[in-house]
Amino acid sequence: AQSVTQLGSHVSVSEGALVLLRCNYSSSVPPYLFWYVQYPNQGLQLLLKYTSAATLVKGINGFEAEFKKSETSFHLTKPSAHMSDAAEYFCAVSTSGGSNYKLTFGKGTLLTVNP
Amino acid sequence: DAGVIQSPRHEVTEMGQEVTLRCKPISGHNSLFWYRQTMMRGLELLIYFNNNVPIDDSGMPEDRFSAKMPNASFSTLKIQPSEPRDSAVYFCASSFSSGRANTGELFFGEGSRLTVL
Repeated sequence: AQSVTQLGSHVSVSEGALVLLRCNYSSSVPPYLFWYVQYPNQGLQLLLKYTSAATLVKGINGFEAEFKKSETSFHLTKPSAHMSDAAEYFCAVSTSGGSNYKLTFGKGTLLTVNP
Repeated sequence: DAGVIQSPRHEVTEMGQEVTLRCKPISGHNSLFWYRQTMMRGLELLIYFNNNVPIDDSGMPEDRFSAKMPNASFSTLKIQPSEPRDSAVYFCASSFSSGRANTGELFFGEGSRLTVL
């Protein structure tokens, strides 16, 4: 079985401050890991993904995440928050290989950015 | 290329009525997923298809829910009869999976917001 836990359902930062959204995963096989972003009244968009290549993954809009196997973590960071980053962020895990699979999502973290 | 297209975007209906949600996946994608999003439960996978065949429907809440994929470019999720607790945003997502190229990345539609009164 696979699962993800997102620590903190709501994170609030000031514009220009560091953004850190936490995600821990559980998987019995090497995972593929994803961060998705959801803006109000929209579907989820892929922010970045880890697929067993480089452990530091860079995504869109200046976000990056580091896969740490020893900590079973895949935290999302951005050095300087922008007002447009306000959204809900979802961490997700899928197992590698095979033609039949599914993504398991975390509960989501709502990021608010204060001026 | 067009993304995943869902209709209707909003649906308000009364308890007991039949609801049909529609999805057109991205052309060339061979996997299709239906998710439900609520404040209480977050994102729940209801059912997914691979090459038009239902692979896992363990997330379908009960017999009132049914999903079909008659061809590679169309899927429906039907609720009959609908109940107020079915109120949620329903997302369709698609992907392409083929052996080692399979990573699990999904492309989502904008969702169908269902309100059952």
